[in-house]
Amino acid sequence: AQTVTQSQPEMSVQEAETVTLSCTYDTSESNYYLFWYKQPPSRQMILVIRQEAYKQQNATENRFSVNFQKAAKSFSLKISDSQLGDTAMYFCAFMKHPTGGYNKLIFGAGTRLAVHP
Amino acid sequence: DVKVTQSSRYLVKRTGEKVFLECVQDMDHENMFWYRQDPGLGLRLIYFSYDVKMKEKGDIPEGYSVSREKKERFSLILESASTNQTSMYLCASSSATGWGTEAFFGQGTRLTVV
Repeated sequence: AQTVTQSQPEMSVQEAETVTLSCTYDTSESNYYLFWYKQPPSRQMILVIRQEAYKQQNATENRFSVNFQKAAKSFSLKISDSQLGDTAMYFCAFMKHPTGGYNKLIFGAGTRLAVHP
Repeated sequence: DVKVTQSSRYLVKRTGEKVFLECVQDMDHENMFWYRQDPGLGLRLIYFSYDVKMKEKGDIPEGYSVSREKKERFSLILESASTNQTSMYLCASSSATGWGTEAFFGQGTRLTVV
């Protein structure tokens, strides 16, 4: 069974600084997707960034980038130039190639990030 | 603007009550999901549906049932609410075309069972 581990329950960072959130996962699959979702205090969960395991290049979305280490089964999220609006709960999630016709997401426990002025 | 709407943000129910949580999406998505979110446990899948009237159990289906009579609506039912079902409930939907597609979430329903 696949598992996703986020070892940092809480983190804090100063505005404009850079922070890295860690995620490790366990799977025997060779192809899969990894995601970072953000849940701000308003609770609306939104996708931050997505990475397909077969793509070696790390995904980037503006200030958000990942460090995907397939052999180490590690998928960290780097937030550059942190902004107050980045304060949120961040969830790492894994999706294996569907065999039953559906796309099931497996989530980590989450990391609560606080950005301070 | 894509939308997944949950009928209530906050709900307080008594032990033993039958509780309905409603979710509606306007993106014509085939897949719909119900998750439960608890501190330190992340999101856990309760049930999902990949088509009208079709449903599959997730990881923690005990004490819950679901209904999908129309493509846009997916309901979670607590047959007899218990205090250990006090939690945040999130509905999500996604397209069935391809895989690795983004899931869109509702704003969540915080349910308290007293």
